[in-house]
Amino acid sequence: DIVMTQSPDSLAVSLGERATINCKSSQSVLSSSNNRNYLAWYQQKSGQPPKLLIYWASIREYGVPDRFSGSGSGTDFTLTISSLQAEDAAVYYCQQYYDSPLTFGPGTKVQIK
Amino acid sequence: QVQLVQSGAEVKKPGASVKVSCKASGYSFSDYAVHWVRQAPGQSLEWLGWIITGKENTKYSQKFLGRVSISGDTSANLAYLELSSLKSEDTAIYYCAKNAPGSLPFFDSWGQGTLVTVSS
Repeated sequence: DIVMTQSPDSLAVSLGERATINCKSSQSVLSSSNNRNYLAWYQQKSGQPPKLLIYWASIREYGVPDRFSGSGSGTDFTLTISSLQAEDAAVYYCQQYYDSPLTFGPGTKVQIK
Repeated sequence: QVQLVQSGAEVKKPGASVKVSCKASGYSFSDYAVHWVRQAPGQSLEWLGWIITGKENTKYSQKFLGRVSISGDTSANLAYLELSSLKSEDTAIYYCAKNAPGSLPFFDSWGQGTLVTVSS
């Protein structure tokens, strides 16, 4: 199984400041056939199901604000929130869809400082 | 708009089985896989398997083979998750999730979740 890890476990960021979350996979999720990274990011607010933010490591889902961006390739990925808003307080998960079983990271909790 | 509505909370004894339903609307149900993902209290997300009802195709996580069964009713836009031989560690919120367009397995819509509690 591909093991996903995330860092930090949690972070507190002031409103308007940048938040950066890292995700690492135990093996590459970059496909040599199409040069795409099989990596998605989700946001989960308290008491709600997850919401898709990013897929293919860097493509924003329709309707997701452009302050959310994804980057990285191979085994190392980053989710950046460029200017944190109050409504961004949540837990963020990465997920690989390169291989079965589909696996998720342990999550990073973002709080407002 | 896409909606996935799940059945209500369940309380089961160890060793019992549970069946959770997921009613889909707002899209062509038989064309997209429906996945089941669970989340134990305070924990991350764990994928159990998927079904494409239109192709009668299922795939399960090896971890749950022999205990999990995913089925569907295309005529009613329903997907089901059945988990047997329940243990206390199976206490979790169980989500159904719709596969995103393009068939690659990430999830663009989720149900509201069904809490399954396993307790003697």
